[in-house]
Amino acid sequence: QKEVEQDPGPLSVPEGAIVSLNCTYSNSAFQYFMWYRQYSRKGPELLMYTYSSGNKEDGRFTAQVDKSSKYISLFIRDSQPSDSATYLCAMLAGGYNKLIFGAGTRLAVHP
Amino acid sequence: DARVTQTPRHKVTEMGQEVTMRCQPILGHNTVFWYRQTMMQGLELLAYFRNRAPLDDSGMPKDRFSAEMPDATLATLKIQPSEPRDSAVYFCASGLDTGYGYTFGSGTRLTVV
Repeated sequence: QKEVEQDPGPLSVPEGAIVSLNCTYSNSAFQYFMWYRQYSRKGPELLMYTYSSGNKEDGRFTAQVDKSSKYISLFIRDSQPSDSATYLCAMLAGGYNKLIFGAGTRLAVHP
Repeated sequence: DARVTQTPRHKVTEMGQEVTMRCQPILGHNTVFWYRQTMMQGLELLAYFRNRAPLDDSGMPKDRFSAEMPDATLATLKIQPSEPRDSAVYFCASGLDTGYGYTFGSGTRLTVV
């Protein structure tokens, strides 16, 4: 079993839809949770960062962390074609530890 | 904007040749990661450094891969000898050990024929 599980999709939604992306994890030591967006043939770019449990909102994006369930989510409101990309969750235990990625979910938002 | 610089962007080489990839982390960042990305395996962690010291390289095939940080402005990843199965995109990322996210470079797309 992988430390971080993420459905690779693909996920196809119409423009304006609310998108929900999720990851589950097994390592209870994870404290830092991130979402990266990766466009085709580009490097991942940091989208959202959360420490411990709770919600964080940034424009159309909301990140949620539920440590009790070992489950994190990214919501995209009013999705746009420019949101079409692969979304990767990533986690870190803190201290001298590795940044571990999920497999990434490919999202397509069609006009 | 500060960025992580990777060179070369693309590399095509013959099997058995040595390949060296370079990364210039963002000035002031003390943590550097090397990842390999393929369609099948996604992003795999190869090695990472903190304050130039290697902390974990368990993801690297030791017989052919090596990673170093000769100084704070340069990280290198070498493959010798290269094999077709090494074909992938190799990313470098840097950040601070506070855990507040990491910035990725644009990657080196390696093709071994």
